[in-house]
This record gives sequence, structure tokens and C-alpha cells, in this order.
Amino acid sequence: AQTVTQSQPEMSVQEAETVTLSCTYDTSESDYYLFWYKQPPSRQMILVIRQEAYKQQNATENRFSVNFQKAAKSFSLKISDSQLGDAAMYFCAYRSYNTDKLIFGTGTRLQVFP
Amino acid sequence: DVKVTQSSRYLVKRTGEKVFLECVQDMDHENMFWYRQDPGLGLRLIYFSYDVKMKEKGDIPEGYSVSREKKERFSLILESASTNQTSMYLCASSGQGGPRLPQHFGDGTRLSIL
Repeated sequence: AQTVTQSQPEMSVQEAETVTLSCTYDTSESDYYLFWYKQPPSRQMILVIRQEAYKQQNATENRFSVNFQKAAKSFSLKISDSQLGDAAMYFCAYRSYNTDKLIFGTGTRLQVFP
Repeated sequence: DVKVTQSSRYLVKRTGEKVFLECVQDMDHENMFWYRQDPGLGLRLIYFSYDVKMKEKGDIPEGYSVSREKKERFSLILESASTNQTSMYLCASSGQGGPRLPQHFGDGTRLSIL
């Protein structure tokens, strides 16, 4: 069975600085998708970024980028130029190619200080 | 934009009650999901449905059942509520266009069982 591990329960960053959230996963599959979701306090969970395992190029969405290391089964999220609105719980998630189910990590709470 | 609406943001019920949590999506999505979110445990899948009247157990189905009579509506039922079911419940939906499609989440229902 696949598992997703987020080893940092909490992280903090100063506004305008860069922070990296870690995620590792375990799978024997070769085709899969990885996602980072953001859950602001008392607000809806939204997709931040996704990565297809067959793509070597790291995904980027504005200030958000990933470092995808397939061999190491690592999928970290880098947030550049951090903003107060980035404060949230961040969840890493895994999805097999042939299923609609997501497997989530335990989350990392990110605090952003002015 | 996809809208997933959960009927209640906060709900307080008593032990032994039958509890209904409702979820409606407006994007004609085939897949719908119920998760439970607990601190330090992330999101865990309770049940999901990939079509009307179809359902599959997730990772923690014990004590829960679901109903999907219409495509847009997916209900989670706590047959006899217990205090260990106090939690945040999240509903999500997704289309069947392939694994790269994200799940879209509702705002969540914070359920307290007294």
C-alpha cells in the first residue's frame, strides 16, 4: 500500500523569504500523480500544484514550485517570496494512475511572520 | 468554478443519534468522497462513490454509511454517533477525466458528539 509522510508538523517563515515543505512517499508503482493542497484557517482546501510522475520537469505555479525526486520518492514544495496569505495547513497527496482515490500525508502547518 | 457545498459548518449531536452530513456539488462530477480530518492524522478516506447508487469503502468505513441517490448529492450517515466520531468531515468531488484532475473540496463540517 502507498503511504505519504510529511515529517514537519509545523514550519515558519518570514514574509518575503523562501520556505520548503518536505514530503516523501512510498510506492511500488511507476505511474502516479502527486499533489500539494493548501487549507487556510477555516477555509476550503484548494489545489496548489500537481506533478505527473512520468514528467522529469518540476512543476511550477507562480511562487510555488516542487522538487520532484522520483528515485528518492521525494516531493517537496518550495514557496518563494512568502506572503501572509500563505499561512495554512499544507497537505501532500498521492494518487495512483488507475484510481480516483487520494492518499494524504499528515500535513504541515505553515506560519508566516511579518 | 466548481462548488462543493456541505450543509453545515458546525454540528453538535448526542451519542447514539443518527447523524446525516450532506454534500452537494454543481459540476456534474462523477466521483464524490467523504474524508475525516483529525490533527496529526491528516485526511482519511471514509467512503467514495463513482456513480449514482455506487459506493466503495475507504480506509475507515466502520460506523459510517453513505447514500448517493442523485449525482450531485452524497450523504454521509453516522448510524449511531459516538464520541470518537467527533471530527472535521470534508466532502470532495472530481470528474472522470483522468488521474491528473484534482479533487474539489467543500468547507468542511466540524461535528461534535457529546
